[in-house]
Amino acid sequence: RKEVEQDPGPFNVPEGATVAFNCTYSNSASQSFFWYRQDCRKEPKLLMSVYSSGNEDGRFTAQLNRASQYISLLIRDSKLSDSATYLCVVNWPPGSARQLTFGSGTQLTVLP
Amino acid sequence: EAGVAQSPRYKIIEKRQSVAFWCNPISGHATLYWYQQILGQGPKLLIQFQNNGVVDDSQLPKDRFSAERLKGVDSTLKIQPAKLEDSAVYLCASRGAAQEQYFGPGTRLTVT
Repeated sequence: RKEVEQDPGPFNVPEGATVAFNCTYSNSASQSFFWYRQDCRKEPKLLMSVYSSGNEDGRFTAQLNRASQYISLLIRDSKLSDSATYLCVVNWPPGSARQLTFGSGTQLTVLP
Repeated sequence: EAGVAQSPRYKIIEKRQSVAFWCNPISGHATLYWYQQILGQGPKLLIQFQNNGVVDDSQLPKDRFSAERLKGVDSTLKIQPAKLEDSAVYLCASRGAAQEQYFGPGTRLTVT
């Protein structure tokens, strides 16, 4: 079983649509969770952290369910510029050895 | 603030040849990571440094890959000899006191 699993997509949605990505992780002791965005042929960049209580940043909402080991990302009112690959990322272990484990990514294309 | 620098950006070599990649992290960042990203997959950690010491190299294929960060600042990753399956993007990332990792633009390696 992969440590971090994502639906690879691709998701093709029209502008203005709402789209949701899901991710599951295998290590129940994982400490921190993130969504990274990676544009084609570019490096990954942090989109947002995922907090236990859920958090929102503009059109983006991230949620965490520790009991089910499940993370989600919701994008509302999709823009063309949202087209990218979204990487689910889990941070383990704690302390100075902190590392990121990446999912394979979900590809999103927002269509005009 | 200058980002993570990597060179070269692209490299094409024949199998069994050697290649080296260079990374200069963000100034003051003690932790440096090398990742391998194969097309269609998320980045996979190869090695993690804390200053000039190795924290984790458990996923580094040590028979052919080596990395060093002698003065605790910039780092080199070497592959000798290269195999076809080493074709990938090699990403360097650095992290300061906060959790966020900042990635460089990567080196795209093609082994023919």
